[in-house]
Amino acid sequence: TQLLEQSPQFLSIQEGENLTVYCNSSSVFSSLQWYRQEPGEGPVLLVTVVTGGEVKKLKRLTFQFGDARKDSSLHITAAQPGDTGLYLCAGEGYGNNRLAFGKGNQVVVIP
Amino acid sequence: DAGVTQSPTHLIKTRGQHVTLRCSPISGHKSVSWYQQVLGQGPQFIFQYYEKEERGRGNFPDRFSARQFPNYSSELNVNALLLGDSALYLCASSFVQGARYEQYFGPGTRLTVT
Repeated sequence: TQLLEQSPQFLSIQEGENLTVYCNSSSVFSSLQWYRQEPGEGPVLLVTVVTGGEVKKLKRLTFQFGDARKDSSLHITAAQPGDTGLYLCAGEGYGNNRLAFGKGNQVVVIP
Repeated sequence: DAGVTQSPTHLIKTRGQHVTLRCSPISGHKSVSWYQQVLGQGPQFIFQYYEKEERGRGNFPDRFSARQFPNYSSELNVNALLLGDSALYLCASSFVQGARYEQYFGPGTRLTVT
């Protein structure tokens, strides 16, 4: 059973469109991280959210941590082909210093 | 500053063989974690080491072992390789700052077992 469920698993959009992907769990996390991964490479950390309800922006990417610290969303405004990749969310349980990952949201932005 | 480095980049082994993967963390990071990522899945936690001691172990068989050296680099060993061990093996180094726990991943080692 996957601890973190990411949806949709696959999303294909045109350049310039907006998109939102989701990361949901029944567990509470002390922090949650979003990564982007290219094929055959390691995940690259995008953001860490810690406080329930927290919103962080990274250029055209907006990350939100749910009030109950069980879920998160990633919104991309005016998507660019360079945004193409696998977006992984990962939650850290309290005090265990290990990350539980979802399967990822595969995003393809078509020029 | 150099990021997390892993070696080798790619590896092909035969069933039943043994493999050793290596990782050097970011300078100043004392914790190293290992993950296995099978195609189409997210990374799965294998081990965490901090200051040369094992601090956590995921749901992997005893064929998997690891250690951390005084310079904080680490090795992951897998014995009696199975076809199902074919995966991208990721090493991550981390630091803890208050409530923030962030892991930085290396490029991974692609292991193929034939």
